[in-house]
Amino acid sequence: GENVEQHPSTLSVQEGDSAVIKCTYSDSASNYFPWYKQELGKRPQLIIDIRSNVGEKKDQRIAVTLNKTAKHFSLHITETQPEDSAVYFCAASIGGNTPLVFGKGTRLSVIA
Amino acid sequence: GAVVSQHPSWVICKSGTSVKIECRSLDFQATTMFWYRQFPKQSLMLMATSNEGSKATYEQGVEKDKFLINHASLTLSTLTVTSAHPEDSSFYICSARPADRGTSEAFFGQGTRLTVV
Repeated sequence: GENVEQHPSTLSVQEGDSAVIKCTYSDSASNYFPWYKQELGKRPQLIIDIRSNVGEKKDQRIAVTLNKTAKHFSLHITETQPEDSAVYFCAASIGGNTPLVFGKGTRLSVIA
Repeated sequence: GAVVSQHPSWVICKSGTSVKIECRSLDFQATTMFWYRQFPKQSLMLMATSNEGSKATYEQGVEKDKFLINHASLTLSTLTVTSAHPEDSSFYICSARPADRGTSEAFFGQGTRLTVV
């Protein structure tokens, strides 16, 4: 089955700097790659997603890149703010009515 | 977006008792729902896939007789933790992916914080 690796597990950045979180996946059939932000005790919140027919997607300060050949995708957050501090998860799925497989998460701390 | 509602949001029960968690899709039909468990400071781990009108599919290592799943309608799946023990204390969360919205997005319930004492 699918296996998703996520790095780093923790990341501290100064406010205003960029943060990059990387994930790799194992199943070449996976075609949907979402990123979630989760605050303590809350459900995951989708912040951006990308499908396998697209190499990059951007939404304001957040961008995701996908390299299908290498089977890795990355989350980029620019101009970080203290409110960006949270746990971020990447995930992958084959699409359709199949479950998401999550990475282990990255705890991002933005230091003011 | 679609709405998935989960109830209760938190529950405390005594060791040995059973707890039922409900997951409802409010504005779409969900032939399949997914149940995840999340221990503190860990990721969401898939426990089982709930299929309307048929048996659930459990992930390796998840006891099907302990975690009973029923998906009797197109909008409701339930997870019953039977004979709960302190090690079952966790955050349980359901998810569904609408087939008719033209999106691959998964929608999550609010989650249920189970504490077994």
